[in-house]
Amino acid sequence: QVQLVQSGAEVRQPGASVKVSCKTSGYIFLTYYIHWIRQAPGQGLEWMGVINPTGGSPTYARKWQGRVTMTTDTSTSTANMELSDLSFEDSAVYYCTREGQLLPFDSWGQGTLVTVSS
Amino acid sequence: DIVLTQSPATLSLSPGERATLSCRASQAVSNFLVWYQQRPGQAPRLLIYDTSNRATGIPARFSGSGSGTDFTLTISSLEPEDFAVYYCQQRVDWPYTFGQGTKLEIK
Repeated sequence: QVQLVQSGAEVRQPGASVKVSCKTSGYIFLTYYIHWIRQAPGQGLEWMGVINPTGGSPTYARKWQGRVTMTTDTSTSTANMELSDLSFEDSAVYYCTREGQLLPFDSWGQGTLVTVSS
Repeated sequence: DIVLTQSPATLSLSPGERATLSCRASQAVSNFLVWYQQRPGQAPRLLIYDTSNRATGIPARFSGSGSGTDFTLTISSLEPEDFAVYYCQQRVDWPYTFGQGTKLEIK
């Protein structure tokens, strides 16, 4: 079955970077875009950006341009999202999800809690 | 960016009642409007895509309608497990955007 399994919770200090991974299985990795969604505590869903595993430049939401880097590793069917220069406001759950030609976000990772604390 | 406004923010109903949730877009999104359900501590779950198509495994009591800028998610008869937060999302163009959510709570 389709699975997106994310890396575990992280704690970082302000100014540091964090990298979240999303290992996929159960489908052909190259045929689905990977999106990253953020959810701050008690808040709604925010779209961070998207990457096409077949290549090309990722597209990032304006809010995070310059701080976020999305990559994929086709040899392991894994997507990664790195966020730099963290602030307290970056404390949130980060989700990966996939989008196919027909279906939007039909499978999600379990979420990765990132806590920014001094 | 396309702004999605959901109403009401909170909806208090009893099991068995009908729920009607609204999502209004700041510009036309064609039929590329999606609904998700999120229960506490869980990832969102795809319910309805492209206005009116139920995702795999979604019960028939969930339905979507609308066009252009105004969309509705209807739950015909609420079950206890339906009390959750619901988000709409547009996927007509990047950046994808979400509504702020409607919390469906037990009255």
